[in-house]
Amino acid sequence: DGGITQSPKYLFRKEGQNVTLSCEQNLNHDAMYWYRQDPGQGLRLIYYSQIVNDFQKGDIAEGYSVSREKKESFPLTVTSAQKNPTAFYLCASSPLGPDTQYFGPGTRLTVL
Amino acid sequence: SQELEQSPQSLIVQEGKNLTINCTSSKTLYGLYWYKQKYGEGLIFLMMLQKGGEEKSHEKITAKLDEKKQQSSLHITASQPSHAGIYLCGADGSGGSYIPTFGRGTSLIVHP
Repeated sequence: DGGITQSPKYLFRKEGQNVTLSCEQNLNHDAMYWYRQDPGQGLRLIYYSQIVNDFQKGDIAEGYSVSREKKESFPLTVTSAQKNPTAFYLCASSPLGPDTQYFGPGTRLTVL
Repeated sequence: SQELEQSPQSLIVQEGKNLTINCTSSKTLYGLYWYKQKYGEGLIFLMMLQKGGEEKSHEKITAKLDEKKQQSSLHITASQPSHAGIYLCGADGSGGSYIPTFGRGTSLIVHP
């Protein structure tokens, strides 16, 4: 089955620890995205990548880092510099250019 | 930057009632997407509209893009509890940017 997966679904970390969220797609999409969703805020773009080994900052990149070593994978690291990391994180992918995005099931990160 | 405003923010209806959700853009829309999200899950693509006056339907959900391409409406006929969730509109970035922006979402509750 083609699709986009995120793992884990729930993640708990202590304050001050870095944590990496996984995102994998087998849709052969060039573009991948990371969003953060908070109640009443909609989706806010963290990082996006349109090609392997290249990525761009979104609206709220501070405290986050990404890599795109393979077309299928776009992991997101939430660093200790992110002041308020508790949120629901969504990964998406799409073909290049204006087109429908396909979303993963999301990861809920809670920092204790 | 392009902003999308959704109204209402939340909606509670009795099963069987019709309802409409609006999405208004500050700029001309070149591609407008509607997604549905169940609480705590990823976004599911519903429909994409591109042409002024375009209307599309999926089961009991109809979406329309106005002639001026600055507003879209999503209409649900004879609502059911399965329609409950968050509805988000998204749009392709303007000025040649393909990075989409999203509205804040409309939360829909349908009482049996």
